[in-house]
Amino acid sequence: DAKTTQPNSMESNEEEPVHLPCNHSTISGTDYIHWYRQLPSQGPEYVIHGLTSNVNNRMASLAIAEDRKSSTLILHRATLRDAAVYYCILRDVYRVNRDDKIIFGKGTRLHILP
Amino acid sequence: SAVISQKPSRDICQRGTSLTIQCQVDSQVTMMFWYRQQPGQSLTLIATANQGSEATYESGFVIDKFPISRPNLTFSTLTVSNMSPEDSSIYLCSARPSTDTQYFGPGTRLTVL
Repeated sequence: DAKTTQPNSMESNEEEPVHLPCNHSTISGTDYIHWYRQLPSQGPEYVIHGLTSNVNNRMASLAIAEDRKSSTLILHRATLRDAAVYYCILRDVYRVNRDDKIIFGKGTRLHILP
Repeated sequence: SAVISQKPSRDICQRGTSLTIQCQVDSQVTMMFWYRQQPGQSLTLIATANQGSEATYESGFVIDKFPISRPNLTFSTLTVSNMSPEDSSIYLCSARPSTDTQYFGPGTRLTVL
């Protein structure tokens, strides 16, 4: 299975943009890039996903490199509530609904400074 | 979307006993999963709960220790058997109603004395 590499932790100031990087140099052509986050004392929650093009939703933006070997989750204006562990996960589109399982790496712990 | 509830939310158990954790989803889902999160660690997949058949366990997890039931498309249970202090963890239920998004319950915090 393709793996991802993320920094262990990052810090950002409140109300500033945050760029969370993820490297996935062995990504295959059918792997979607998914991001989940886990707020303190909660289960993980879905943030965003994409395949090739950049994606935006109400929570964040996902910027995907042209060669797809890396991606960046962008929080446009961080709040204290965004302090969480962020997980970058690859999912093979052809395995979904068959034996697709979400395997979590260590993720990036994001600290927001007031 | 799917809203997942778990019971109990937390428990303190004695060594050698068993605890059954219930997971209820507010809609029918194709796939359900059980994860474990040890203190300060990431989530580890225990098994896929298959409706109408035996669960599929990940390496390092066995049915005798973590029996799982899934009687229908909205409900599953995980039993932690013959517990030891090493089983102290948060156990999370997860469900996937669509091909893209997976949802997680709030977790059950288990402490074994």
